Amino acid sequence: SQTIHQWPATLVQPVGSPLSLECTVEGTSNPNLYWYRQAAGRGLQLLFYSVGIGQISSEVPQNLSASRPQDRQFILSSKKLLLSDSGFYLCAWTADSSNYGYTFGSGTRLTVV
Amino acid sequence: SQQGEEDPQALSIQEGENATMNCSYKTSINNLQWYRQNSGRGLVHLILIRSNEREKHSGRLRVTLDTSKKSSSLLITASRAADTASYFCATGPNSGGYQKVTFGIGTKLQVIP
Repeated sequence: SQTIHQWPATLVQPVGSPLSLECTVEGTSNPNLYWYRQAAGRGLQLLFYSVGIGQISSEVPQNLSASRPQDRQFILSSKKLLLSDSGFYLCAWTADSSNYGYTFGSGTRLTVV
Repeated sequence: SQQGEEDPQALSIQEGENATMNCSYKTSINNLQWYRQNSGRGLVHLILIRSNEREKHSGRLRVTLDTSKKSSSLLITASRAADTASYFCATGPNSGGYQKVTFGIGTKLQVIP
């Protein structure tokens, strides 16, 4: 069966520090991968998605970047965090969003101080 | 931008009652999905309904879709305290080769024991 792992679960980082959040999927190949951010009490904002290795699409210009070095690995990064980067970050995958729902990771609560 | 908009934003009911949440969207869709999110957790996919379907059931869940009105509803029958969560609708695009869904801001459901 397919599983998705996302870590860390919580993170407190100072302003200006770098960020690296990792997401891996098991039990499938060539998944579509997504990074979402959820502000407190709000909906999900799509940040990046990837349909293949090295293929990254950015939805919102910002202080973050994403990479997909391997088929089932998706990394969210920042060189210098801003206070506004605080939020709940969710990784998700789907085989085909036309026919299947998304499977989400458990999320990372990032607080920039 | 947010495609789906859930209504109401918050709902409080007694255990055993039915809960109905609505979702409206703006552009044509391939499918519409409903998700549940428990506090501080990732989203869980509940049900996907395609644009050519009008109704779908899964256990105590019933989803309807009216593409002429660009709206959907999620009915949870015989609610339980464990149904307390936020519920999100998400719309899948009606354009090929561009696989992402857009989430609404959610309905926060509280089921009182």
